[in-house]
Amino acid sequence: AQSVTQLGSHVSVSEGALVLLRCNYSSSVPPYLFWYVQYPNQGLQLLLKYTSAATLVKGINGFEAEFKKSETSFHLTKPSAHMSDAAEYFCAVSDSNTGKLIFGQGTTLQVKP
Amino acid sequence: DAGITQSPRHKVTETGTPVTLRCHQTENHRYMYWYRQDPGHGLRLIHYSYGVKDTDKGEVSDGYSVSRSKTEDFLLTLESATSSQTSVYFCAIRGDSAYGYTFGSGTRLTVV
Repeated sequence: AQSVTQLGSHVSVSEGALVLLRCNYSSSVPPYLFWYVQYPNQGLQLLLKYTSAATLVKGINGFEAEFKKSETSFHLTKPSAHMSDAAEYFCAVSDSNTGKLIFGQGTTLQVKP
Repeated sequence: DAGITQSPRHKVTETGTPVTLRCHQTENHRYMYWYRQDPGHGLRLIHYSYGVKDTDKGEVSDGYSVSRSKTEDFLLTLESATSSQTSVYFCAIRGDSAYGYTFGSGTRLTVV
């Protein structure tokens, strides 16, 4: 079965600092991978997705993620954090056989002024 | 999100009562999903459907049932609500693309 592990339930960075949110996955078949963001009291918004076209994926709001098969990782980065990036971030993997989308536990990003 | 709506948006119910949440789509997508979101657990899959009358269990299906009698509607029923089912429930849809998921705005359910 496919699974996702997000390392660190809370990450705190200073405004302007690098953002790094970690995600490792387990999959027996080539995965589709996703990062979603959720702002307080809102629904889920897709940041970016990996669909095997390119290992470095660029998303919205300056975020990007790199698929590393050897490390089974799909970490999310942003060079310079903004206050508006404070939110909860979810990594997810799609099971291509069943169509199920499996989520990690989430990482709350705090951005300090 | 456009093409998918959840109802109700908020509901407070008493322990032991039945509750039905509705997910409605206008995209004619094949796949539909119900998730619950709880702090520290992310989103966990309750049930999903891969066609009319074709459903399967997710990882937290105990206490929940679903029905899909037509393409556009996917109903989630709590037969006898318990306080542990207090949560935010999200519906999602997916078409033939293996990576085109769309989420609803969520239903906040409180069981008192």
